[in-house]
Amino acid sequence: DAGITQSPRHKVTETGTPVTLRCHQTENHRYMYWYRQDPGHGLRLIHYSYGVKDTDKGEVSDGYSVSRSKTEDFLLTLESATSSQTSVYFCAISEGAGGSYNEQFFGPGTRLTVL
Amino acid sequence: GQSLEQPSEVTAVEGAIVQINCTYQTSGFYGLSWYQQHDGGAPTFLSYNALDGLEETGRFSSFLSRSDSYGYLLLQELQMKDSASYFCAVTGGSYIPTFGRGTSLIVHP
Repeated sequence: DAGITQSPRHKVTETGTPVTLRCHQTENHRYMYWYRQDPGHGLRLIHYSYGVKDTDKGEVSDGYSVSRSKTEDFLLTLESATSSQTSVYFCAISEGAGGSYNEQFFGPGTRLTVL
Repeated sequence: GQSLEQPSEVTAVEGAIVQINCTYQTSGFYGLSWYQQHDGGAPTFLSYNALDGLEETGRFSSFLSRSDSYGYLLLQELQMKDSASYFCAVTGGSYIPTFGRGTSLIVHP
């Protein structure tokens, strides 16, 4: 199994509070991704990173920011959490983009509840 | 942009064969992937097709027709443990995959 962990695994917070989720990998993969998964919506990309300090937006990036200061860590921040951000968040990694290097390995997920 | 369509649910009996279809629209095309996700778990990679034709991996096979913007995942000799959600994902010109909404496969004894 790819070495990818997420913390925390579960979090309950209140509307308006900031929240940071952490993704840590030991595979030295270049690409890292944050997805959210909601019933009926599958996996939707929030942000991704293609290197240290190199990030780009996905299809549902509003209300989220990311940072990657080290190859192994990718942080997802909700500056002011809202109830619509209640979801399961998955981090994923891949060696590269395009072709077979696009195979993604997923972390165990973080279940976030915003009250 | 990219979009995918796959059935929301498929049911089958143990030992049978089931096919999960996926149609996609994309600007540029590099490949179609399939992932499996059990309830409460993380998605895991099953297969990747970049060229037309059938790729076989044990009981699972994946097919691609680029001219039809269509692919499918074929599961043979179904087992109860195959009950899960299956996602297709298309990689287009952005090199970043877009996932479909997933198909819930229910295998009955």
